[in-house]
Amino acid sequence: EVHLLESGGDLVQVGGSLRLSCAASGFSFSTYEMIWVRQAPGKGLEWVSYISSSGSSSGSTTYYADSVSGRFTISRDNAKNSLFLQMNSLRVEDTALYYCVRDGRAGVAGTVRRFDYWGQGTLVTVSS
Amino acid sequence: EIVMTQSPATLSVSPGERATLSCRASQNVKSNIAWYQHKPGQAPRLLIFGAYLRATGVPARFSGSGSGTEFTLTISSLQSEDFAVYYCQQHNNWPLTFGGGTKVEIK
Repeated sequence: EVHLLESGGDLVQVGGSLRLSCAASGFSFSTYEMIWVRQAPGKGLEWVSYISSSGSSSGSTTYYADSVSGRFTISRDNAKNSLFLQMNSLRVEDTALYYCVRDGRAGVAGTVRRFDYWGQGTLVTVSS
Repeated sequence: EIVMTQSPATLSVSPGERATLSCRASQNVKSNIAWYQHKPGQAPRLLIFGAYLRATGVPARFSGSGSGTEFTLTISSLQSEDFAVYYCQQHNNWPLTFGGGTKVEIK
């Protein structure tokens, strides 16, 4: 059974840092592209970042929302079946529940993306 | 950035009735959209991907249609467990973007 378990959320001051983790199980993690999505209190869903699957020798491809670009870094450790989000220079507006999400197309280019498994989320609260 | 606009914001429906939710993209996203169901305290659940493909385990009462810029999620006969917030999302271009959501509530 596919399972994604986020951790690392906490209460932090403006300007602080956090590192979120997502432990994956039940599937061949290295094969799958992954994203982070967040939901601020009372708001809708917002995509945060993307990382490609195991990637080439030149490393993984990553993308970021403009709102976090330059402050957040996505990475993965395929040997440990883990996804990470390093969050620096945190702002009040980064307060949200952060979800780890799998793209179920298994990295097959040309097939339809399907963000099929979501973790339960980890809460980040940034206080001023 | 592609803006996804959902309507209505709230839909009041009686159990057993049909619900039709709309999503409009600001640019052509071909068939690259998904629909999610989100209930309080739970993770979002993928319902539809590729505009009309049902995800594993999703009941047949959920169907998606449309292409280009206009999309529809239809719930043919609402069950009690279907009352939730529904989001559309485009994955044709980066950044991925979501609509603002439609809350389906009991009438």
